[in-house]
Amino acid sequence: AQKVTQAQTEISVVEKEDVTLDCVYETRDTTYYLFWYKQPPSGELVFLIRRNSFDEQNEISGRYSWNFQKSTSSFNFTITASQVVDSAVYFCALSEAKDQGGKLIFGQGTELSVKP
Amino acid sequence: DTAVSQTPKYLVTQMGNDKSIKCEQNLGHDTMYWYKQDSKKFLKIMFSYNNKELIINETVPNRFSPKSPDKAHLNLHINSLELGDSAVYFCASSPNKGGLYNEQFFGPGTRLTVL
Repeated sequence: AQKVTQAQTEISVVEKEDVTLDCVYETRDTTYYLFWYKQPPSGELVFLIRRNSFDEQNEISGRYSWNFQKSTSSFNFTITASQVVDSAVYFCALSEAKDQGGKLIFGQGTELSVKP
Repeated sequence: DTAVSQTPKYLVTQMGNDKSIKCEQNLGHDTMYWYKQDSKKFLKIMFSYNNKELIINETVPNRFSPKSPDKAHLNLHINSLELGDSAVYFCASSPNKGGLYNEQFFGPGTRLTVL
């Protein structure tokens, strides 16, 4: 069965702290894609990153970094030196290649609050 | 130019009414989706169309009927609205039908409130 679990419902940090958002997924497919989306208070869904199952290389983009580990079925997201503008709900999502519809299976989301 | 647009942004209506939400994308993508986000922020796929053809229907009540007049448009019509239909509905588009390039780009959402 396909499933994405974000165990942290809410996280609160003070500005400039580093924070890691956890994501664990389940799939029987050998080819799949993982995503992170950001939903700020304004409500839109903003694409952050896509990673395919054959590429376990970690990625860094500015203050954002992602750690993909197939051995633990995890795709964690770290924000370094957090800022108030990072406050949002963050969603991890899975898409399986065998699913020709390409639907996204979302985790429950982690609400990050960064306080000044 | 907005890549994926939805109208209206807010929709308040009475139980039992019929309403439609429109979605348009100008990205030239082949695949479009409807997702529902409930009050707990949980996002779930409802439908997917590829080049006007329905390819995903995720056990959504048949009061919900998607219509794709062309590949740039995917509208959602809801009959006999119920209180439980209150949610934010997101339209999305993707350049591919589940292949390599399947990141999805979302519209701004339509907040539906059923009274």
